[in-house]
Amino acid sequence: QQQVKQSPQSLIVQKGGISIINCAYENTAFDYFPWYQQFPGKGPALLIAIRPDVSEKKEGRFTISFNKSAKQFSLHIMDSQPGDSATYFCAAILTGGGNKLTFGTGTQLKVEL
Amino acid sequence: KAGVTQTPRYLIKTRGQQVTLSCSPISGHRSVSWYQQTPGQGLQFLFEYFSETQRNKGNFPGRFSGRQFSNSRSEMNVSTLELGDSALYLCASSLEQDREQYFGPGTRLTVT
Repeated sequence: QQQVKQSPQSLIVQKGGISIINCAYENTAFDYFPWYQQFPGKGPALLIAIRPDVSEKKEGRFTISFNKSAKQFSLHIMDSQPGDSATYFCAAILTGGGNKLTFGTGTQLKVEL
Repeated sequence: KAGVTQTPRYLIKTRGQQVTLSCSPISGHRSVSWYQQTPGQGLQFLFEYFSETQRNKGNFPGRFSGRQFSNSRSEMNVSTLELGDSALYLCASSLEQDREQYFGPGTRLTVT
């Protein structure tokens, strides 16, 4: 009930391509869904976040698509660049749950030239 | 604006010892959360503090504790260290009514 399932575990994309990472959840009490990017030796950095009353949010090359009925959300990275190579985590916060983030298991993205 | 700072960045301790990690949130942020990151378990929530009160607690044994001071700085303590406590410990801060959390670089704890 408290889990967030993330796929794929790893992803290789060619430069200029679209990277797509998917997450699914069971608990409908989740009401905030952020994505984090983490480089080796660094803490996770907030990329973009969405609430369930919105179906899509775009910031630069990063887009979150949200499907409330399917309880799924995904991150799309357009025009992927080698500098995007990192580990990406989806997460969720429960309504009334303070700021406790429940994380997915992470996706290691590699963008090749 | 300075980001979240954590000290020390690296720490090596022996099994059975105790350790204290420190976190200074972004100026103005009153919520501080702690997470443990390991290759096997991923990112797991430890606890959250807001206005010096623990607001949320994860599923960790009582050996893990924390506190928050009046200036919002936070510390976490792990007593009787075990080999399995080796991890990257991350601190995140946010504004009072904001869900956006910003992480520090972490403290890498190695227990030998």
